[in-house]
Amino acid sequence: AQTVTQSQPEMSVQEAETVTLSCTYDTSESDYYLFWYKQPPSRQMILVIRQEAYKQQNATENRFSVNFQKAAKSFSLKISDSQLGDAAMYFCAYRGSTGANSKLTFGKGITLSVRP
Amino acid sequence: KAGVTQTPRYLIKTRGQQVTLSCSPISGHRSVSWYQQTPGQGLQFLFEYFSETQRNKGNFPGRFSGRQFSNSRSEMNVSTLELGDSALYLCASSSQGIGREQYFGPGTRLTVT
Repeated sequence: AQTVTQSQPEMSVQEAETVTLSCTYDTSESDYYLFWYKQPPSRQMILVIRQEAYKQQNATENRFSVNFQKAAKSFSLKISDSQLGDAAMYFCAYRGSTGANSKLTFGKGITLSVRP
Repeated sequence: KAGVTQTPRYLIKTRGQQVTLSCSPISGHRSVSWYQQTPGQGLQFLFEYFSETQRNKGNFPGRFSGRQFSNSRSEMNVSTLELGDSALYLCASSSQGIGREQYFGPGTRLTVT
């Protein structure tokens, strides 16, 4: 079974600075998808970024980028120029490529606080 | 496009009762998944429906069931509620491809007393 590990329960960053959130996963599949979701206090889960395992190029979305290391099974999220609105819980998630593994498997999440 | 909608947003039930939660996916999305979120267990997958068929199921007891209608709307039902069923229930929809990202609704907060 696939597992996703987020070992840091909490992180803090100064406004305008850069922070990196770590995630590792375990799978025997070669084709899969990885995601970062943000959950602010409203509890609405918001997709931040998506990475296909077959793509070597790291995904970027404005201030958000990932460092995808397939061999190491590592998928970290870098937030540049942190803003107060970035404060939230961040979840790393894995989704397989076959029907039986099509569910999202989430890590425990990281609570990110942004200091003004 | 309108996002994923879930009703009701909040619900209080008594132990032993049953409850039905509803989810309307983004227009054109045929896959609907349900997740339970609790402080202790985190986010856990309940089941996924695609074109009215259950495509995947998590490790939850048979008290948890779901269905999907021809318009892709989905319902989940929990019978014989237990205190431990208190949670935020999230619905997510995605387009046809398995690897496509899932978009979440605002959730239904269920409290069992």
